[in-house]
Amino acid sequence: KNQVEQSPQSLIILEGKNCTLQCNYTVSPFSNLRWYKQDTGRGPVSLTIMTFSENTKSNGRYTATLDADTKQSSLHITASQLSDSASYICVVSRLFIMTTDSWGKFQFGAGTQVVVTP
Amino acid sequence: EAEVAQSPRYKITEKSQAVAFWCDPISGHATLYWYRQILGQGPELLVQFQDESVVDDSQLPKDRFSAERLKGVDSTLKIQPAELGDSAMYLCASSLTTSALRHIQYFGAGTRLSVL
Repeated sequence: KNQVEQSPQSLIILEGKNCTLQCNYTVSPFSNLRWYKQDTGRGPVSLTIMTFSENTKSNGRYTATLDADTKQSSLHITASQLSDSASYICVVSRLFIMTTDSWGKFQFGAGTQVVVTP
Repeated sequence: EAEVAQSPRYKITEKSQAVAFWCDPISGHATLYWYRQILGQGPELLVQFQDESVVDDSQLPKDRFSAERLKGVDSTLKIQPAELGDSAMYLCASSLTTSALRHIQYFGAGTRLSVL
């Protein structure tokens, strides 16, 4: 079964501190892995996208890593800010190949709820 | 900056009533997705369009849900009749294409549905 598991379910960190979120997946065949940030009551916003050959990708204070062999990814938040309070969702794309096209089917994790306190 | 527009933002309805949600994707985006997100969970794909054609509706409860994208631009998702378990956030997303493996999905703000 194609699954995406995230941990922890939630965490609270002090402003200025670092934190790391984990994502394990069993999706196959693998196309790419994405991390999204979702503010309360809003739609998700893409942070990073990594394909099989990439093992790290940064977007400002967000750094994602990917180990395609162990099917694990992490998202590291450096020097957290109050605005980082959100749900962070790991999404893995399955690859479908047709005779004339190819596309990805997305499998979403349940997200990690991050709360940054002053 | 271009955005995916959704309306309404909030909808309260009674069980057995019909509801409809509207989505206008970013101009030029061929692929449109409808997701349902239950509180505390990740989004679940309901239907995916490539232009006006349905690419994937395997998770769409077709006895009560329907979706259309008649001219390959904006889209409507309908529920009839609504059930208590349909209470959720309904998200629309669009992307330039599905063919590019690194394409980015852009999400709208969603419609929060409450069924009483």
